[in-house]
Amino acid sequence: EVQLVESGGGLVQPGGSLRLSCAASGFTFSSYEMNWVRQAPGKGLEWVSYISSSGSTIYYADSVKGRFTISRDNAKNSLYLQMNSLRAEDTAVYYCAREQRGYSGYIDYWGQGTLVTVSS
Amino acid sequence: SSELTQDPAVSVALGQTVRITCQGDSLRSYYASWYQQKPGQAPVLVIYGKNNRPSGIPDRFSGSSSGNTASLTITGAQAEDEADYYCNSRDSSGNHLGVFGGGTKLTVL
Repeated sequence: EVQLVESGGGLVQPGGSLRLSCAASGFTFSSYEMNWVRQAPGKGLEWVSYISSSGSTIYYADSVKGRFTISRDNAKNSLYLQMNSLRAEDTAVYYCAREQRGYSGYIDYWGQGTLVTVSS
Repeated sequence: SSELTQDPAVSVALGQTVRITCQGDSLRSYYASWYQQKPGQAPVLVIYGKNNRPSGIPDRFSGSSSGNTASLTITGAQAEDEADYYCNSRDSSGNHLGVFGGGTKLTVL
């Protein structure tokens, strides 16, 4: 059974940092591209970042570029999101999401999410 | 980047058919995928590719696409289908799945 379990969320002051983790199990993690997607309270889904299976290709949404860093450790079956210079507008539930590659591609599994609250 | 546009809210009578649409330039090149999200839960994939359902998704869910519009159709809507529905596609560069629609709140009457 595919499982994605996020951790590391919490309350942080504006300008602070937080590191999210996603522990993957039930599949060959090193073979899959991964994403972080967030959802602000009462709002829609917003893609945050993508990392290829090897970690060699990375993309970010403009809203987080220069502040967030995605990474992975295939030996530990783990995905990470380092978030720096956090702002109130980064408050959201952050989901780890597995991508199925292909011409169109799609996300087939999501974690349960971890809540990040940026507030003083 | 690119955008996907969805109607904010749609309603359907119990047992009737409803279509939820998603418009965007990227849909001329890529299929949309569709996600169902119920309150307090993570999104769940319901349709991907041309018209594919993951295991466990009822066959009342179907997808289609024409031009710049993708559609999710629920034939014989059930009370448990009341949820938010989001479309997703690659962005205009094709590099990543960076575009989500704003979501459609489906109410089953």
